[in-house]
Parts: sequence; structure tokens; C-alpha cells
Amino acid sequence: QVTLKESGPVLVKPTETLTLTCTVSGVSLSNPAVGVSWIRQPPGKALEWLAHISSSDEKSYTTSLKSRLTISKDTSKSQVVLTMTNMDPIDTATYYCARIVSHTEADYWGQGTLVTVSS
Amino acid sequence: DIQMTQSPSTLSASVGDRVTITCRASQDISNWLAWYQQKPGKAPKLLIYKASSLENGVPSRFSGSGSGTEFTLSIGSLQPDDFATYYCQQYYRQRTFGQGTKVEVK
Repeated sequence: QVTLKESGPVLVKPTETLTLTCTVSGVSLSNPAVGVSWIRQPPGKALEWLAHISSSDEKSYTTSLKSRLTISKDTSKSQVVLTMTNMDPIDTATYYCARIVSHTEADYWGQGTLVTVSS
Repeated sequence: DIQMTQSPSTLSASVGDRVTITCRASQDISNWLAWYQQKPGKAPKLLIYKASSLENGVPSRFSGSGSGTEFTLSIGSLQPDDFATYYCQQYYRQRTFGQGTKVEVK
């Protein structure tokens, strides 16, 4: 049974750095066919892909937020971490992590975590 | 960046209708396209990958087609459980989602 669970703060202040953790179970992050992506969704709006890390530790980011994002993983802990700097109220969203399988895409998702940016 | 444009943004339909949603890519993405269904308050669910491959457990009334820049998701006979928002997503270069299509009750 593959599960993903996001964790992190529910409230951050403007200009602060957000750190989110995705804990994966039921599959190894060293599996060559498996990567993890972060996706967000502002309230009432569309999904936005943010970042991806592959089994071989290759990283990619959405161009518009690349300067603010860092993705990393700890295979031994089965965790993928996303940091986003200089948070702004427009970054208020539900943040999801998802398992990405080569050629198949996001077949398992976490439940999502709502992050509100407010002073 | 590759842009994905879905149409329509909202679709009003009745149970039993055949429904088609279109997704256009700003450049050739071959068949690197997925479709997801999302219901309010829930995470998206993968329906179709590689443009036309049905994910395990997804009802056969869902089908995908297309390649290059034009793609479609069809629902053969709309069921009550299918009223939701649908997103396309390219994974040819990085990843990008469309803006979504809400299928609502007519």
C-alpha cells in the first residue's frame, strides 16, 4: 500500500521560508522508476506543478518559481522536502506531494496540506 | 515553458451524456499527457496516462486520444460520480497542468 503524507506549518508569515515534508511509505525512493513531485492549488483555482525529484536525485522546477524553490530527499527516511522562500499571501494554497512513476505520472497523491500566508 | 489550454472551462451535462474535453499544448509534446479527475476537497486522481492508456481501476467509459498538440478526454456515458473537475497535464518537458474543466449538472 503506497501512501504519501504532507506535513508542515499551517500558517506562515510573509517573507518567511516554508518547509514542507512528504513522507512516503510502501515504495522506496531509490526505486529507479519512482520520483516525487510537489503540486499546489490555491483555493478555488487550478493545480500548479512546482518541483520534481527523481530516483537519481535529478531536480526540476517550474520556471516562474525556480529562484524560490528547493527540493531534496532523504531516501533512508523516505522523505522529500520542499522549501519555498519569501512567502507571500498569494502563495496560500493546498500543497500536495505525489508519486511519479516513469511514463505513468502521478498515480498516488497525499491528502494535501493547506498553508496560509498571513501576518 | 509549455502551456496547456483546456476547453471548455465549464461543461453542463446530464447523466448518460457523452462528454468530450479538449486540451491543447503550446508545442509538440508527443503523447506525454495525463488526465486527472478532482472532486472538491480531494486530491486529484489519475485517469489516463501517455494520452490514451487507462490507469488501473478506472472505468472503461473514460478514454483519451491525441498526440502532438491536441488531445481529448471522453466520457462515454456520464455517471453521477463523474461530476468533477478534470485537468490535463503534460510531462514532455518539466510538467504543466491545464486550467481545468468543471463538469457540472445541467
